[in-house]
Amino acid sequence: NAGVTQTPKFQVLKTGQSMTLQCAQDMNHEYMSWYRQDPGMGLRLIHYSVGAGITDQGEVPNGYNVSRSTTEDFPLRLLSAAPSQTSVYFCASRRGGTSYEQYFGPGTRLTVT
Amino acid sequence: TQLLEQSPQFLSIQEGENLTVYCNSSSVFSSLQWYRQEPGEGPVLLVTVVTGGEVKKLKRLTFQFGDARKDSSLHITAAQPGDTGLYLCAGFRTGNQFYFGTGTSLTVIP
Repeated sequence: NAGVTQTPKFQVLKTGQSMTLQCAQDMNHEYMSWYRQDPGMGLRLIHYSVGAGITDQGEVPNGYNVSRSTTEDFPLRLLSAAPSQTSVYFCASRRGGTSYEQYFGPGTRLTVT
Repeated sequence: TQLLEQSPQFLSIQEGENLTVYCNSSSVFSSLQWYRQEPGEGPVLLVTVVTGGEVKKLKRLTFQFGDARKDSSLHITAAQPGDTGLYLCAGFRTGNQFYFGTGTSLTVIP
């Protein structure tokens, strides 16, 4: 049982490049989310999903796309990277319903130059 | 603007001292959580409080949810170096969204 896994651990992009951050969970959780963490700002929700085929926007969705084709996977796509997207990205999952316990992955540190 | 404000932002204390971290908002939350995060890792859930006025204890950590469900506090008794980390509060509202606080970085000096 690996929990929530994220790849890559580190990534450097040039402005305008695109890439996909991978997230997978093996706990059969319905709900999955992507957050970004910036100094002094805590974690901010980018996008979330309440089940396969269902996604919705969070606080800071601009510049990011998501899809949820399976229960296990929830990739985050950066369409055209900008320096403002330099951050640490965390994926999280939870069972859903009245279960509030979120499990986080180890994070991806992204630098856009 | 952050929905949840934490104070203090930084805290450095000696081993054995007591401390309190505050998490405040003008909004009402269905539940409130506290996480601890270590460098290079994701946050780990410590506790969830659901009822206004609820108090939960986890060994030397005491968590309280405000009566109006707008604020919370975390009190640590006799802090130890192993308590060092970033403490985050997170409130849950309708719409399946968690809103995180700004974080409190705690350093406990041996």
